Amino acid sequence: DGGITQSPKYLFRKEGQNVTLSCEQNLNHDAMYWYRQDPGQGLRLIYYSQIVNDFQKGDIAEGYSVSREKKESFPLTVTSAQKNPTAFYLCASSIALGPQETQYFGPGTRLLVL
Amino acid sequence: QKEVEQNSGPLSVPEGAIASLNCTYSDRGSQSFFWYRQYSGKSPELIMSIYSNGDKEDGRFTAQLNKASQYVSLLIRDSQPSDSATYLCAVFSSGSARQLTFGSGTQLTVLP
Repeated sequence: DGGITQSPKYLFRKEGQNVTLSCEQNLNHDAMYWYRQDPGQGLRLIYYSQIVNDFQKGDIAEGYSVSREKKESFPLTVTSAQKNPTAFYLCASSIALGPQETQYFGPGTRLLVL
Repeated sequence: QKEVEQNSGPLSVPEGAIASLNCTYSDRGSQSFFWYRQYSGKSPELIMSIYSNGDKEDGRFTAQLNKASQYVSLLIRDSQPSDSATYLCAVFSSGSARQLTFGSGTQLTVLP
């Protein structure tokens, strides 16, 4: 069964806490992405990675960190510096980074602040 | 700032009608254009992609691109209640910021 998995489905963060969202894909895609979606808004790019051990900041990287140690995995850490983390977080992947490469999305993680 | 604009809606059409969704973009160098469908609480799924001027048809869906007017649209023929969702327009930007930029989406309701 090929696809993108994200866990957990729901995540609760206490103030001052760092939390990590998991994203795994078995599509053999080189490029992976993290987006944030707020209610009634489109997706905003947080970070993306074209290859293992390399990643780039997107439009709203402040307060977030990522790693890409394996091709299949691209975890996102929401740090305590992110003051408004409540949102729907979406991981995506594509064969490569390019204008005709379709991005496919995982099911998402909804992060809520306690 | 590269922008992608969509009417937020909601757009309501009766079952069987044609739904027309519109999107404009600011970056003249944009190379590719995508329509995603997002059901409430779910992740986006690709409906159509289009790269050159003109129409592209796939079943009940037709994407139309006019690069001179910086305009892309999605037509849904014979609309069904199951088409009720938010439709996101996404544009791949050129230059140093090679990324997909999303509009805020148009909420479509198909009335039985």
